Amino acid sequence: QSALTQPRSVSGSPGQSVTISCTGTSSDIGGYNYVSWYQQYPGKAPKLMIYDVAKRPSGVPDRFSGSKSGNTASLIISGLQAEDEADYYCCSYAGTYTYWVFGGGSKLTVL
Amino acid sequence: QLQLQESGPGLVKPSETLSLTCTVSGGSISGSSYYWGWIRQPPGKGLEWIGSIFYSGSTYYYPSLKSRVTISVDMSKNQFSLKLSSVTAADTAVYYCAGHLPFTMGNYWGQGALVIVSS
Repeated sequence: QSALTQPRSVSGSPGQSVTISCTGTSSDIGGYNYVSWYQQYPGKAPKLMIYDVAKRPSGVPDRFSGSKSGNTASLIISGLQAEDEADYYCCSYAGTYTYWVFGGGSKLTVL
Repeated sequence: QLQLQESGPGLVKPSETLSLTCTVSGGSISGSSYYWGWIRQPPGKGLEWIGSIFYSGSTYYYPSLKSRVTISVDMSKNQFSLKLSSVTAADTAVYYCAGHLPFTMGNYWGQGALVIVSS
């Protein structure tokens, strides 16, 4: 069982917006502003999409955004495109004992 | 742009030690503020951080794996390595190496190496 809780699946139609939630505790998400999100296609390595809760690495479309409230972080994908269909994982820094924890992943289906 | 590549045996027998190496190109392991980590993903499951190392030798391990994990760095070869002892079938996974900043896991990823634990 993963340390962070994500919905197993989410879906949306092209052009719509979807939100993927990631729930942790005050020891990880709630305690630090170090949440990151990764996109993973089948058989491929994950790709960093969001870091430090809401920052985007160079080259990531601004359709991807992140936020956090309390112990829950969210990845928001607006203007959904077929190419966004993938698995998405959240990750949070969790202090100097556990260090980093991941969510179980959410499969995004573009209808 | 950093590039990482995992290498090592794809099949390990139960109770033996899994050994993987990650070769870094496009930058020096010791020439940046990056940490060097290992993450694994069992077939059909999610990601799990295993541990990380800084070029100085400081290591950080996931508590539940700490007793079985050793991560080391070889600056002369621009490589870092993972050893996981006493493996069982539960350790079967795709193992990724990654370069990351202090509080962000996985800025750069290798392509992954599937390791199967089986007799």
